[in-house]
Amino acid sequence: AQSVTQPDIHITVSEGASLELRCNYSYGATPYLFWYVQSPGQGLQLLLKYFSGDTLVQGIKGFEAEFKRSQSSFNLRKPSVHWSDAAEYFCAVGITGGGNKLTFGTGTQLKVEL
Amino acid sequence: GAGVSQSPSNKVTEKGKDVELRCDPISGHTALYWYRQRLGQGLEFLIYFQGNSAPDKSGLPSDRFSAERTGESVSTLTIQRTQQEDSAVYLCASSPFSPSEQYFGPGTRLTVT
Repeated sequence: AQSVTQPDIHITVSEGASLELRCNYSYGATPYLFWYVQSPGQGLQLLLKYFSGDTLVQGIKGFEAEFKRSQSSFNLRKPSVHWSDAAEYFCAVGITGGGNKLTFGTGTQLKVEL
Repeated sequence: GAGVSQSPSNKVTEKGKDVELRCDPISGHTALYWYRQRLGQGLEFLIYFQGNSAPDKSGLPSDRFSAERTGESVSTLTIQRTQQEDSAVYLCASSPFSPSEQYFGPGTRLTVT
């Protein structure tokens, strides 16, 4: 069965600093990959997705992620973090041919220091 | 346009009672998913509907859980004889087709006392 690991439970960065959130997955084939953000009291919002093609994908709010098949990773990056980016970030894997039901990581809580 | 809506937003119930949670997907979305998010954890897949096909119930944790969907519209998730471990946020998502990105509702926070 597929699984997703987000090794960092909490991350604190200073505003303006760069950010990288790690995501590793386990799946036998090329998965569909997603990053979602959840702010307090808000629903999940899609940041970006990878289905195929270019392994560097751009998303909303200045985020990007790179699919590295050899490392089974899909890390999320942002060159300069804003205070409003403080939230919880979830990486998810969708099963190809399986209705795209998602398996989520346990999330990374991002705190931004002003 | 309108997003995915869920009701109620909060539900407190006594152990042993039945509860019904509702999801209204985005109009025209053929796929609908239910997930559960326990405190401090990621989301767990529960059930998936695609058009008129038989639903994928592989994530339902017990036979106390069931869900229905009428055509490509509203869905209800029913939990019978609720237990304290059922306390969680229940999230619904829809997508225009599969595979595609899923659009999530705000969730229903269920507390079983």
